[in-house]
Amino acid sequence: GEDVEQSLFLSVREGDSSVINCTYTDSSSTYLYWYKQEPGAGLQLLTYIFSNMDMKQDQRLTVLLNKKDKHLSLRIADTQTGDSAIYFCAAYMDSNYQLIWGAGTKLIIKP
Amino acid sequence: EAGVTQSPTHLIKTRGQQATLRCSPISGHTSVYWYQQALGLGLQFLLWYDEGEERNRGNFPPRFSGRQFPNYSSELNVNALELEDSALYLCASSLTGAANYGYTFGSGTRLTVV
Repeated sequence: GEDVEQSLFLSVREGDSSVINCTYTDSSSTYLYWYKQEPGAGLQLLTYIFSNMDMKQDQRLTVLLNKKDKHLSLRIADTQTGDSAIYFCAAYMDSNYQLIWGAGTKLIIKP
Repeated sequence: EAGVTQSPTHLIKTRGQQATLRCSPISGHTSVYWYQQALGLGLQFLLWYDEGEERNRGNFPPRFSGRQFPNYSSELNVNALELEDSALYLCASSLTGAANYGYTFGSGTRLTVV
């Protein structure tokens, strides 16, 4: 079946850039998303990218999409303690209107 | 505009009891999704309702069931509770097929089975 994979943890120093990676298997996914989950809370949509785009930038967030390799990344510039959270990658399946989710990457910020 | 609301926020039940969780989607959204997030684990897809019908179901036993009402709100029922059902249950809503909006999530119901 379709799958989305992410590494489980990423540790970065405060002020550095964080790069969270994701790979997906469904080449027909038209939209790819990044969600953020803070402790004890629901998921918040951070950003999304349409499959015909290579890059999308929104303030400190940059999303890069390599459609050939089916690789998505989220870069957070100037990482702050408030960025500590779990980040989920998700791919939209046109065939059944559903999202396929990665397992989430826990971003740990070191002082 | 109100977001996705879930109730109750916390629920404590005894093993073998039944739990009922509720979700109100964003106004105008017709699809409701239920997910289970056990401690330290990712999202496990439970159920998808759209226009009052169950459209898809995850790999969960039949004691997990639900329904969607005419106003598009939804209820998740878990019968014969087991200790491993303890988890955060998340509800999300969307416009069917509106991929560019993704899903909007509620804050979840924390179910604890003792």
